[in-house]
Amino acid sequence: ETGVTQSPTHLIKTRGQQVTLRCSSQSGHNTVSWYQQALGQGPQFIFQYYREEENGRGNFPPRFSGLQFPNYSSELNVNALELDDSALYLCASRLDRAMNTEAFFGQGTRLTVV
Amino acid sequence: GESVGLHLPTLSVQEGDNSIINCAYSNSASDYFIWYKQESGKGPQFIIDIRSNMDKRQGQRVTVLLNKTVKHLSLQIAATQPGDSAVYFCAERGGGSNYKLTFGKGTLLTVNP
Repeated sequence: ETGVTQSPTHLIKTRGQQVTLRCSSQSGHNTVSWYQQALGQGPQFIFQYYREEENGRGNFPPRFSGLQFPNYSSELNVNALELDDSALYLCASRLDRAMNTEAFFGQGTRLTVV
Repeated sequence: GESVGLHLPTLSVQEGDNSIINCAYSNSASDYFIWYKQESGKGPQFIIDIRSNMDKRQGQRVTVLLNKTVKHLSLQIAATQPGDSAVYFCAERGGGSNYKLTFGKGTLLTVNP
């Protein structure tokens, strides 16, 4: 176990709806990243949060947004869901963004958009 | 642009054999590389990492080799066990202020008893 927990584990939403996914980072880790993993693909970077601010973003539209809280837990929000948003959403935490250390992943949230 | 690819999408080995999983990367500015193992229904699990100033690093039953000249990374697993069956991803970090990890598509390793 990595100490990174995500909720919920599975979720089914209808196209056009909004969804919020949650992540608790490993104790002491102040940097959280979110990734989208489509079936049969590697994870794709969505964005990263460091001390409650976004400090890096991948090629995802603005309807993908996030938050990081003072305890370093994080949320991923997706508005106006599309069928292609169906994927495994992974949260990863790192000790500090300035350190070249490994990212520890949670088990992911499987989102299905119908 | 940045990309990380794998030479083989699947690899099947006999239990006890050594496994080698290869990865090519294109971003010469990448300064940090990680191998992850992902079992079905789980998130990626850290295996081993290597910094760009190294060419080899060993862990327990695993060795990572980095060849910066040809932008190639490999993961060697000694005495492969059925529990090693999973998808293996290499990931690179772009360097500087770019902290994101770029993953390849993965290699499915199947260990036959």
